[in-house]
Amino acid sequence: GENVEQHPSTLSVQEGDSAVIKCTYSDSASNYFPWYKQELGKRPQLIIDIRSNVGEKKDQRIAVTLNKTAKHFSLHITETQPEDSAVYFCAAKFGNTPLVFGKGTRLSVIA
Amino acid sequence: SQTIHQWPATLVQPVGSPLSLECTVEGTSNPNLYWYRQAAGRGLQLLFYSVGIGQISSEVPQNLSASRPQDRQFILSSKKLLLSDSGFYLCAWSRDIRETQYFGPGTRLLVL
Repeated sequence: GENVEQHPSTLSVQEGDSAVIKCTYSDSASNYFPWYKQELGKRPQLIIDIRSNVGEKKDQRIAVTLNKTAKHFSLHITETQPEDSAVYFCAAKFGNTPLVFGKGTRLSVIA
Repeated sequence: SQTIHQWPATLVQPVGSPLSLECTVEGTSNPNLYWYRQAAGRGLQLLFYSVGIGQISSEVPQNLSASRPQDRQFILSSKKLLLSDSGFYLCAWSRDIRETQYFGPGTRLLVL
């Protein structure tokens, strides 16, 4: 069935450094890829998304890149800050079914 | 704008007791609705989704059930809770089943 693999499961970076989280998906027809951030005890919130007609999208310190040939997409956070510490989930759309989520990456930004 | 509500926010229930969690959406019509469960420190497990009133799709066999009695209301139920039902229950909505989902604030359930 449809699958989204997310790596790494945990990531620690020094404040100010960059963080990269990568997801791979199984269906080459997928065309929508959102990223969610979940702070401790809170709901997941959409932070950025990308559709397959573009290769990169940027919003301030956050960017997402998409490689359709390799079937992977990545979240890039630059100049990380302590408030970036959270669990990040990628997701992908497969056909006419709900989004499929990755298992999450716990990001810790060390001050 | 659209708003999604869940209640209760927290719940402590004994094993074997019934459960009813409610989710409502405001500011949109005919939303797609979802129930997820998240165990502590784990990912999002899709339990049920609904594309319309009375239409429920189950993703995981379990002792839970879902109902959609009204367009913008989604209910998660159980007749007898198990210890393994403890977790963070999230409701979500989307305009289309293939599009962005927006999550409610969640219900934290502890079964003792």
